[in-house]
Amino acid sequence: QKEVEQDPGPLSVPEGAIVSLNCTYSNSAFQYFMWYRQYSRKGPELLMYTYSSGNKEDGRFTAQVDKSSKYISLFIRDSQPSDSATYLCALDQTGANNLFFGTGTRLTVIP
Amino acid sequence: DTGVSQDPRHKITKRGQNVTFRCDPISEHNRLYWYRQTLGQGPEFLTYFQNEAQLEKSRLLSDRFSAERPKGSFSTLEIQRTEQGDSAMYLCASSPRQSMNTEAFFGQGTRLTVV
Repeated sequence: QKEVEQDPGPLSVPEGAIVSLNCTYSNSAFQYFMWYRQYSRKGPELLMYTYSSGNKEDGRFTAQVDKSSKYISLFIRDSQPSDSATYLCALDQTGANNLFFGTGTRLTVIP
Repeated sequence: DTGVSQDPRHKITKRGQNVTFRCDPISEHNRLYWYRQTLGQGPEFLTYFQNEAQLEKSRLLSDRFSAERPKGSFSTLEIQRTEQGDSAMYLCASSPRQSMNTEAFFGQGTRLTVV
């Protein structure tokens, strides 16, 4: 079993839709939860990170963490064609020297 | 450009050849990471440096792979006797002193194709 599970999609939505992206994990030692956006043939770009359970909002993006269920989500409101990319969840734990990534979900927002 | 810089962006090599990639981290960042990403997968950790010291290596880093970070500045990743299975995107990331991995900034990657 992988440390982090993420539905690879692909996911296609019309412009303006609300997008929900999710990851589950098995290791309760994870304490930091990140979402990266990766455009085709580019490096990952950090969107948001959260610590512990709860919600964090940044513009059209909301990250949600439920540590009791080991479930994290990223919501994108009013999705735009420019949001079309692969979204990667990444998890971190105190004392670790690396991030654990999901496989990424490929999102296409159709104009 | 003050981001993480990687060179080359794309490398095509014949099986059995050696290749070397370079990463220039953000200047004040003392932590440097190498990851490998294959098609349809998330990045997988290869190795980590704090300043010039290589502090952790993944089991993915076989003995054909070697990484260095002389003087704690730029880093190189060398693959000897390349195999087709080495074809992937090699990503470098850096993060500041005292930070967790949460502040890791990635470069654009070097895409390796072994033919």
